[in-house]
Amino acid sequence: GAGVSQTPSNKVTEKGKYVELRCDPISGHTALYWYRQSLGQGPEFLIYFQGTGAADDSGLPNDRFFAVRPEGSVSTLKIQRTERGDSAVYLCASSSKSGLGPDTQYFGPGTRLTVL
Amino acid sequence: GENVEQHPSTLSVQEGDSAVIKCTYSDSASNYFPWYKQELGKGPQLIIDIRSNVGEKKDQRIAVTLNKTAKHFSLHITETQPEDSAVYFCAATLNYTGANSKLTFGKGITLSVRP
Repeated sequence: GAGVSQTPSNKVTEKGKYVELRCDPISGHTALYWYRQSLGQGPEFLIYFQGTGAADDSGLPNDRFFAVRPEGSVSTLKIQRTERGDSAVYLCASSSKSGLGPDTQYFGPGTRLTVL
Repeated sequence: GENVEQHPSTLSVQEGDSAVIKCTYSDSASNYFPWYKQELGKGPQLIIDIRSNVGEKKDQRIAVTLNKTAKHFSLHITETQPEDSAVYFCAATLNYTGANSKLTFGKGITLSVRP
């Protein structure tokens, strides 16, 4: 079946601009996570959605970052007034939360954001 | 919070040899430890995982061992092949069946398998 998809695959923007990154989770998965991966590092947690609500946004670095998931499926990560330090690969993962075992997270290919 | 450390940062082996990658974690309450493989330009892909109530798990050429007392876990790849070359990440979570299973990742290790 279809996996997690993310668009765009690459985004180049100028410092100070606003960007939106989209994530389409696996159909039926109720849990959705956003992570950020800087060059040479492992992914770092940003935010977790269970259904439509952001249950844990403790990883968002500051108030320029915001994410939504209005219908409990597609999610959008929004970054205002981008800075060069925001350049990274933004990864989305989803899981089924079936309660029948480990909550396996399936990752998308990521969006590579470059802020000039 | 949890801290996961991974070492070494690079590993090169001859095709057919075994590779072992080690990780340590800081929070003794962590209860689920997945391993992900990431190829260039792709997202991480789960290759094997282990729960805290299990000491070892094997899947064909891949195995993972967990030592809860020492708070470390290891990935073992036998009969390595060139297609095993990638970046491998270990991770840990405090809440594998709960409401929020956010993962804490290590920095990754680049495995190179020489033909």
